[in-house]
Amino acid sequence: SQELEQSPQSLIVQEGKNLTINCTSSKTLYGLYWYKQKYGEGLIFLMMLQKGGEEKSHEKITAKLDEKKQQSSLHITASQPSHAGIYLCGADRPPTSGTYKYIFGTGTRLKVLA
Amino acid sequence: GAVVSQHPSWVICKSGTSVKIECRSLDFQATTMFWYRQFPKQSLMLMATSNEGSKATYEQGVEKDKFLINHASLTLSTLTVTSAHPEDSSFYICSARGPLDYEQYFGPGTRLTVT
Repeated sequence: SQELEQSPQSLIVQEGKNLTINCTSSKTLYGLYWYKQKYGEGLIFLMMLQKGGEEKSHEKITAKLDEKKQQSSLHITASQPSHAGIYLCGADRPPTSGTYKYIFGTGTRLKVLA
Repeated sequence: GAVVSQHPSWVICKSGTSVKIECRSLDFQATTMFWYRQFPKQSLMLMATSNEGSKATYEQGVEKDKFLINHASLTLSTLTVTSAHPEDSSFYICSARGPLDYEQYFGPGTRLTVT
């Protein structure tokens, strides 16, 4: 099973609607990152959350990390077609041996209908 | 901010040939680099962790002899896809851990098409 599960897997919303994407980990997160991407293109960094209960906002996007640091949500208010893309959460994983490794969630594909 | 480059940005090769992808940290030294693979409509899957001067650590299911990773310097890691086949066609992204442990910088990606 995936270490970082995202839900929903895909989402189609009408322009102007609000939406929420979730990222869940079975282990405590030591930093949770949100990115936006389109397949075949680079990643666009959105936000980083480190502290339990932390919440950050940028323009119409708000991200939260729960107190237990095992779940994060990304909320988009009044969605626009420009918000369409793949949203990925990312996190460090402590090593069983050696270096930390950085992994991504399963991804959420967002489509916004004009 | 820190910049990571990848070269080439896209490549088309014939089945059976090998392709090398370079990942460079342009203005910082990266002791650790990561290689990811992405299929259409899917997330990025970690292939391997590359540490400068040592052997790469591959994720389960990734063929070491198929995807050769070399991290010869603190600013360069290479991924060589050997004897490429059409199923190797994918989008490959590298990342480098920055000077501060929590920083992660991503390359723009390389689109590989094997015909």
